[in-house]
Amino acid sequence: GAVVSQHPSRVICKSGTSVKIECRSLDFQATTMFWYRQFPKQSLMLMATSNEGSKATYEQGVEKDKFLINHASLTLSTLTVTSAHPEDSSFYICSARDRTGGRAIQYFGAGTRLSVL
Amino acid sequence: GESVGLHLPTLSVQEGDNSIINCAYSNSASDYFIWYKQESGKGPQFIIDIRSNMDKRQGQRVTVLLNKTVKHLSLQIAATQPGDSAVYFCAETLSGSARQLTFGSGTQLTVLP
Repeated sequence: GAVVSQHPSRVICKSGTSVKIECRSLDFQATTMFWYRQFPKQSLMLMATSNEGSKATYEQGVEKDKFLINHASLTLSTLTVTSAHPEDSSFYICSARDRTGGRAIQYFGAGTRLSVL
Repeated sequence: GESVGLHLPTLSVQEGDNSIINCAYSNSASDYFIWYKQESGKGPQFIIDIRSNMDKRQGQRVTVLLNKTVKHLSLQIAATQPGDSAVYFCAETLSGSARQLTFGSGTQLTVLP
């Protein structure tokens, strides 16, 4: 299947700093990418939909100024957690939609474990 | 709002037995369904998908069944192996639309030796 690369896999930062997470589709072009947050023992919670060349669409309750999304190319989307605080500690997962062959499979990155001290 | 849910939050099976993971969906407009496997600390991995014009689809050791009448989806894993231990999520969407996947709550599958 298609590969989505997410980096870094784990990051530990001090409170108040910003953290950038990259998501790349390696063998297909993704006009749409998605960012999820996942708490332990829970399902994936969609944070925002990233559209190449346009502004991201945020889900209700997600602060767009805190979670900055940039989708500058068809293979790269970034999520920046600005002024991170301990409550932002979580598992963040990106996903890219592959529309090849008329399908709409979302492939996921390996996730980023963010720990804010 | 409409959502996708799972009947069983946990499932334990003996190694070598078959596993059946169930999922109920409520959005009758959904026409595309996917099963994902998520191992601890990793992102979800695509297993198999099915369109609403099909009732059954088979992959390697896995079979997905779709019952549109009762809006029910199931994932069958044959000869379950220790490496199958993970959380399994079903997801649904409307193909051809910009709608993102809606995920179920997940089922933790544990394979006993």
